[in-house]
Order: sequence, then C-alpha cells, then structure tokens
Amino acid sequence: EPEVTQTPSHQVTQMGQEVILRCVPISNHLYFYWYRQILGQKVEFLVSFYNNEISEKSEIFDDQFSVERPDGSNFTLKIRSTKLEDSAMYFCASTRGNQPQHFGDGTRLSIL
Amino acid sequence: RKEVEQDPGPFNVPEGATVAFNCTYSNSASQSFFWYRQDCRKEPKLLMSVYSSGNEDGRFTAQLNRASQYISLLIRDSKLSDSATYLCVVSPYYNQGGKLIFGQGTELSVKP
Repeated sequence: EPEVTQTPSHQVTQMGQEVILRCVPISNHLYFYWYRQILGQKVEFLVSFYNNEISEKSEIFDDQFSVERPDGSNFTLKIRSTKLEDSAMYFCASTRGNQPQHFGDGTRLSIL
Repeated sequence: RKEVEQDPGPFNVPEGATVAFNCTYSNSASQSFFWYRQDCRKEPKLLMSVYSSGNEDGRFTAQLNRASQYISLLIRDSKLSDSATYLCVVSPYYNQGGKLIFGQGTELSVKP
C-alpha cells in the first residue's frame, strides 16, 4: 500500500535556526497538509495545500512558516526562526480529495 | 468551548469487554466525521468514517447524531491490540479535501 513518507524522523535544532521538514505524499494525491502535535496535546491543523497554493491555514501558521512543493513530488514545511514552542511532532498528510487523509509517520522536532 | 471534545480517559478494561467512547463537536455545520486511532508517538490512522445511518466494521460500531452533535464508537470483544488512543475527528467540509479537527483523544488500555 502506498505511504506518505517524511524525513527526517527526528530533527534537533538550535532556537532561532531555520528548519525544513520534508514529505513525499502519495503519488496520485492532490491535497496536502501539515499538522502538528505538541507532546501530550491534540493534533492541530497547520495548513492545507492544493493546486500549488495554500488553500487554508490556521492561526498557528504565522509568517515564520511556509510550505512549498518544489518539484512535484516533495512537499516541505519551513520554519524560518524556530522557537522553543515549535517543539512537536509534525505530520504530513495527503488525499485525493474523495478519500480519507493518509498520514506520514511524522518528524519529531526538538528545539534546544 | 472546544471544537471537538472527548473524555480523555484512560479507560482500563479487561480483554473481551465492550467499551464505548463519546465525542461532541461544537460546529453544527460540520460535514464529515471520523474515528482515528493513534498508537504511542505514532501517526493517526483512520479507523472508520462515521455516517448518520451508523456503520459497523467487525467489532467496531460508530454512530452519529447530528441533532445532538454527538459521535460514538463502540468496541466489542476488546483485544490487547486495541490498546491505543482513539481520536474523534471532524471536518467542516463534505469531501476529504478539507482540514481535520481533532479531539484530544481517549486512551484505552486493554488488560489480559
């Protein structure tokens, strides 16, 4: 069964540094998402992406965050200047649009 | 009021027990409803979609009451492998292209 893959599985970064999280969605999917889950808390929506543009974003997704689909296969989340409170699991998800979202196994981001 | 509210548990039950989870959502315009399962520090995985007519998948039965804005999940004959956190998930959109809004999850522990 096709999977959403995410790299790296764990990223450790100094506060204030830029970080890029990478995702390869399932190949025939059209909608792409980033969610995050702070330890012990619920999964929170960050952003959705369709037709090469952001279709919706949450209040969490401020100017420090950006997404890109640079080459038609990868889908990236960039955090420009990381803060301690950005420490979380980041999940990428994708769907064709008429089926449930499939989640990648996540990137654990630790900000020191 | 939380958008999606669940009893956090934990629910500790013996093997073979029947267990029921409840969930309420605040947005009456919500269109799609799901139960996801999350194992410790792993990605959410779809358990089942939930329909107004109710639906069953083996030992799992889900019900939706739109008037009460209430969703339930019943697990019969619970197995050790059912131990996980069960996430009630709602989307404001009819198709799967929209964002998912997660509850904080109900933890289930099935003991021998």
